Amino acid sequence: QITLKESGPTLVKPTQTLTLTCTFSGFSLSTSGVGVGWIRQPPGKALEWLALIYWDDDKRYSPSLKSRLTITKDTSKNQVVLTMTNMDPVDTATYYCAHSEYSSSDFDYWGQGTLVTVSS
Amino acid sequence: QLVLTQSPSASASLGASVKLTCTLSSGHSSYAIAWHQQQPEKGPRYLMKLNSDGSHSKGDGIPDRFSGSSSGAERYLTISSLQSEDEADYYCQTWGTGIHWVFGGGTKLTVL
Repeated sequence: QITLKESGPTLVKPTQTLTLTCTFSGFSLSTSGVGVGWIRQPPGKALEWLALIYWDDDKRYSPSLKSRLTITKDTSKNQVVLTMTNMDPVDTATYYCAHSEYSSSDFDYWGQGTLVTVSS
Repeated sequence: QLVLTQSPSASASLGASVKLTCTLSSGHSSYAIAWHQQQPEKGPRYLMKLNSDGSHSKGDGIPDRFSGSSSGAERYLTISSLQSEDEADYYCQTWGTGIHWVFGGGTKLTVL
């Protein structure tokens, strides 16, 4: 059974760096073809893809946010970490991590999400 | 530019069927998509992958009431025998080289 869970601060100040951790079970990021992505959703708005990392450390970023994002993995801990620099109130959103496979590119298992508010 | 367009809202009666539409932008009519369901105050749930020929593969535990079909640049999600728990936001999603992953704006389904 695949599960994912996001963790991190609920409140960050403008200009600060956000660090979110996705802890997962039921699969390994050392298995060929596996990936974990991050997606966010501002309150009342649509989903927006942010970044994804594959088993071979191939990393993909949203072109519009690439300069602010870094995604890394710790295979031994079954974790993926996303950092986003220079946070702004418009970055207030629920942040989700999700499982993906290179062969399909679907996000087929999702975490429950974590709400991050950016405010001074 | 790869864009997915969805109607903001739809409604149908309890027990009836509803067909939601996701339209791929010009030049991308061969792309496969995925459908996701997001019930109120919950995270998204993967429903299915839908190919341009209408073939689809559903996620774990997705009821037979959910099915997909395609026509040209349009991708459909049909929900039959509507239940109250089907009231949710439905998002389509696709992927492309360089653009990577793209989501539609979502359709809010109301079950009357």
